[in-house]
Amino acid sequence: DIQLTQSPSFLSASVGDRVTITCRASQAIRGFLAWYQQKPGRAPKLLISAASTLQSGVPSRFSGSGFGTEFTLTISGLQPEDSATYYCQLLNTSPLPFGGGTKLEIK
Amino acid sequence: QVQLQESGPALVKPSETLSLTCTVSDDSMKTYYWGWIRQAPGKGLEWIGYVYYSGSTNYNPSLGGRLTISVATSMQQFSLRLTSVTAADTAVYYCARLVGPTTGFDSWGQGALVTVSS
Repeated sequence: DIQLTQSPSFLSASVGDRVTITCRASQAIRGFLAWYQQKPGRAPKLLISAASTLQSGVPSRFSGSGFGTEFTLTISGLQPEDSATYYCQLLNTSPLPFGGGTKLEIK
Repeated sequence: QVQLQESGPALVKPSETLSLTCTVSDDSMKTYYWGWIRQAPGKGLEWIGYVYYSGSTNYNPSLGGRLTISVATSMQQFSLRLTSVTAADTAVYYCARLVGPTTGFDSWGQGALVTVSS
């Protein structure tokens, strides 16, 4: 099975900063990767599919990129409401694992 | 905007069967895939499996032969059945819509906490 490793597991940044979260796959995947945002006590929210396709209604400060084994979620111009845990997920295979998560704290 | 709602017992005894149902607010069940994801307290997300309206399924192998996901399109519902539960199955269980195998889960229920305890 393909494993996903997210880094860092914790990130602290200030409003206006640009942050990057990385998701590494144990073998090359064809961009079938999604990113989610989860706030405490809430269900996850799909931000990005197919590695780089922003979902409708998601602010443009969120972007995704990558190919092969390394993928990134970038938030440009952090806002207070971006405080959350972010997960990547492998798609189009079985199983569909999630990464371990990255908790983003806004200072 | 589709709404999903989980329902089922909040407490299950060890070795018994966990059963949850997800009700979908619209008649789109024949268009999408329908899945379950869980999250143990304080932990990350774990994909459980999904079902297509035809009944074809894709399960997480880590759950072995304990898992059944079924669909009842006429009732706009799909269900999760997990047998022989242990404390390790205690989690918030989410139902969610998968637009396609390459797109991700784009709509989620609010989640249902199921505790396995005697």
